[in-house]
This record gives sequence, structure tokens and C-alpha cells, in this order.
Amino acid sequence: AQTVTQSQPEMSVQEAETVTLSCTYDTSESDYYLFWYKQPPSRQMILVIRQEAYKQQNATENRFSVNFQKAAKSFSLKISDSQLGDAAMYFCASGDTGTASKLTFGTGTRLQVTL
Amino acid sequence: GAGVSQSPRYKVAKRGQDVALRCDPISGHVSLFWYQQALGQGPEFLTYFQNEAQLDKSGLPSDRFFAERPEGSVSTLKIQRTQQEDSAVYLCASSFPNQETQYFGPGTRLLVL
Repeated sequence: AQTVTQSQPEMSVQEAETVTLSCTYDTSESDYYLFWYKQPPSRQMILVIRQEAYKQQNATENRFSVNFQKAAKSFSLKISDSQLGDAAMYFCASGDTGTASKLTFGTGTRLQVTL
Repeated sequence: GAGVSQSPRYKVAKRGQDVALRCDPISGHVSLFWYQQALGQGPEFLTYFQNEAQLDKSGLPSDRFFAERPEGSVSTLKIQRTQQEDSAVYLCASSFPNQETQYFGPGTRLLVL
């Protein structure tokens, strides 16, 4: 079984600044994927970034990057140059490899972006 | 093409009523997942289909919950004799075979009174 823990219920960042959202996970699998999803008030879950556990290089997507520490089972999300549109709930999730890979989600972090 | 669509977007049911929630996955996606998201929580897995085969239903909370995907495309999640604790957002997601990234629909918000 997999577990995902997000210990920050809420975070706040000023526009144009950088913020880091924390996530830790536990899994018995040797190969797995990690994801960050964004959920705005419309409730649509939008993929932000994903990381394959076998890759040592941290994934990056424009202003979004991760700090993947496999030994520590840590997977944090860094948002640079924060924008008002980044305000949302952010969920960390893990999944096994393969087609039947159900996702296990954390409880989410609500990100506020202020002027 | 179009993303995952779900209908209805909102459903209010009286306790004891049966409800049916529909999911239209992205064309070509053979994998389809249902999740339940309670207020203030992350989504929790309910069930998984590969084409028309329901390969995992370990997350269904009771025998009142039933899902089907008879032709391997559209899926329906049915909840019989709804209870107040069934109130949640029900999310559908789909993916290509051997692709771990799931694409989510907008969800159906179910409120049981």
C-alpha cells in the first residue's frame, strides 16, 4: 500500500515570489511515479508535473520544478515567479508503473497568491 | 480532441434514491478510473477499467456502489439507496495503455439530503 502525506494545509506566496510545497510518501514498490496535480475552484484536476522514480534528474516544467529525494521519500514542488493563476489546491500523488496504476493522493495544500 | 467529460456536474438526491453518474473518457484511452473526493480531502480510488473489463474494484465502499463500462468507452457509476455519507465529488480519469499519467474530468458533485 502507498501513503502520501502533505503536512502544509495552506501556504501563501506573494506574486512573483517562489514557494515550495512539501510532500512525503511511502511505498513498497521499487518503481513508481510521483505527480503534482493542481485543482482550482472549478474542481478539474490538472497535471502540473510528474517524476519517474528511476530517474535521478528532477523534473521541470517551465516555472514548476520538483526536488525528488528518493532515499528520504520526499517530493516537493517549487513554483517560481508565482502568478495569481497559480492559486489553487495542490495534490501530491503516487502511482505504480503499469496500466492498472491507481493513484494515491495526499490531503492537499491550498496555495494563496497575494499581490 | 476533447478532454474527459462528466455528467451531470451537480446532482442533489434525497436519501434512499438511486443515482447514475456518467463519464466520457478521452478517445483512445482504454484505462478508466473512478475516484471519490470528500470535502477537504484528496481523491480516493474507487474502481478501474481496462476497456470493458473491471479489473479492480477494491475501493468501492459498499455493495451499493456499482460501475460499468459495457462497450469500453463511456462508464457509469451507480449508487443505490444513497446515504448522506455518499455526498462527495466523483472524479473520472482516463489514460492511454502503459501511460501512467491520468487525465481527469471536471467531476460530479453529489449532495445527498
